[in-house]
Amino acid sequence: EIVLTQSPATLSLSPGERATLSCRASQSVSSYLAWYQQKPGQAPRLLIYDASNRATGIPARFSGSGSGTDFTLIISSLEPEDFAVYYCQQRSNWPSITFGQGTRLEIK
Amino acid sequence: EVQLLESGGGLVQPGGSLRLSCAASGFSFSAYDMNWVRQAPGKGLEWVSGTGGGIFYADSVKGRFTISRDNSKNTLYLQMNSLRVEDTAVYYCTRVRDGGRCFEYWGQGTRVTVSS
Repeated sequence: EIVLTQSPATLSLSPGERATLSCRASQSVSSYLAWYQQKPGQAPRLLIYDASNRATGIPARFSGSGSGTDFTLIISSLEPEDFAVYYCQQRSNWPSITFGQGTRLEIK
Repeated sequence: EVQLLESGGGLVQPGGSLRLSCAASGFSFSAYDMNWVRQAPGKGLEWVSGTGGGIFYADSVKGRFTISRDNSKNTLYLQMNSLRVEDTAVYYCTRVRDGGRCFEYWGQGTRVTVSS
């Protein structure tokens, strides 16, 4: 099973600041990595697929990069609605699908 | 508009059974892989089962859960038997994105509580 490790566990920033979230895979997942945002009481929302492609309706301040084992989600300038939990997910070796443990982005 | 509406959750004793349903609309249901993902209270996301080039299960539910679909009713199911306390979670129905490597649409979730 491919293990995804996200860092940091918690990130404390202020609106307007830049957020950098990391996801590291225990073995290569090529570019088959996605990012999700989850707010309290809501279902997750797909942000980024195939490492760097924004999903429909996702603002341009969200960007993803990486390949192989190291991936990054960047939020260029935080809006109040961006404070949430973020998960990465891989489906490189279907049928095994795994998620990272999440990064909580909180208001400083 | 794509909509996924789960139902069937509730409180059940350890060893009991439940069947979850997911009614889909707004897309050609038979053309897409569908999956169940769960989230235990205060925890992260865990893939449970999916249909895509076959039927697959996480090791944690293999032999106890059965996924199925009725394309004539645009409905996905999850039959859960021999439930354990650790199966307590919100269960989400998900539709994969074209290409099948991530979950583009999610239902609102249905809560399953396994407790005596």
